[in-house]
Amino acid sequence: KAGVTQTPRYLIKTRGQQVTLSCSPISGHRSVSWYQQTPGQGLQFLFEYFSETQRNKGNFPGRFSGRQFSNSRSEMNVSTLELGDSALYLCASSWGIGVSPSYGYTFGSGTRLTVV
Amino acid sequence: EDQVTQSPEALRLQEGESSSLNCSYTVSGLRGLFWYRQDPGKGPEFLFTLYSAGEEKEKERLKATLTKKESFLHITAPKPEDSATYLCAVQAIGANSKLTFGKGITLSVRP
Repeated sequence: KAGVTQTPRYLIKTRGQQVTLSCSPISGHRSVSWYQQTPGQGLQFLFEYFSETQRNKGNFPGRFSGRQFSNSRSEMNVSTLELGDSALYLCASSWGIGVSPSYGYTFGSGTRLTVV
Repeated sequence: EDQVTQSPEALRLQEGESSSLNCSYTVSGLRGLFWYRQDPGKGPEFLFTLYSAGEEKEKERLKATLTKKESFLHITAPKPEDSATYLCAVQAIGANSKLTFGKGITLSVRP
């Protein structure tokens, strides 16, 4: 079956612009989580969505936002981009929330965002 | 605040030289501990979920174990294709899907 699909794979933006990233989870998965990965900080949790509702949020400024659609696809938006926002943005999907799945969370290949 | 520390940061092994990767954690209440493998330019690939102290899981040359404060990923007779970054993450009770990751251990296996 198809895995988690993230688009685009690569993106170059200028400081001050905004960007929208997309994540399509595995068919049947209703939970989508987003992470930022940088060499210095590693993977850091941004937020998670389940049934179109944000269920949890990490310690990121309000410039980072997201949403989930009725088909479980999710988007995240970053406004007023800063150089420090350059990172690999990963999303992960699972069937539900509230349990630690024995099969783990499935990650996409990520979107590499470069802010210049 | 949940914390995960992985050591060493990098490890170089000769093919066939077994070793262990360490993951120390503090969490208010552990719901699950996860091991992932990440290759350059790719997303993390799931390896194991461990739930309680004393639990062990195996997959090919990898074996993961769990205590109340640590988890170990044992690699037996590694091959060059085992070269990757290995990530450990904890999930706390009540945290929904949130994972708290360590910074990873970069493993290089020389032929």
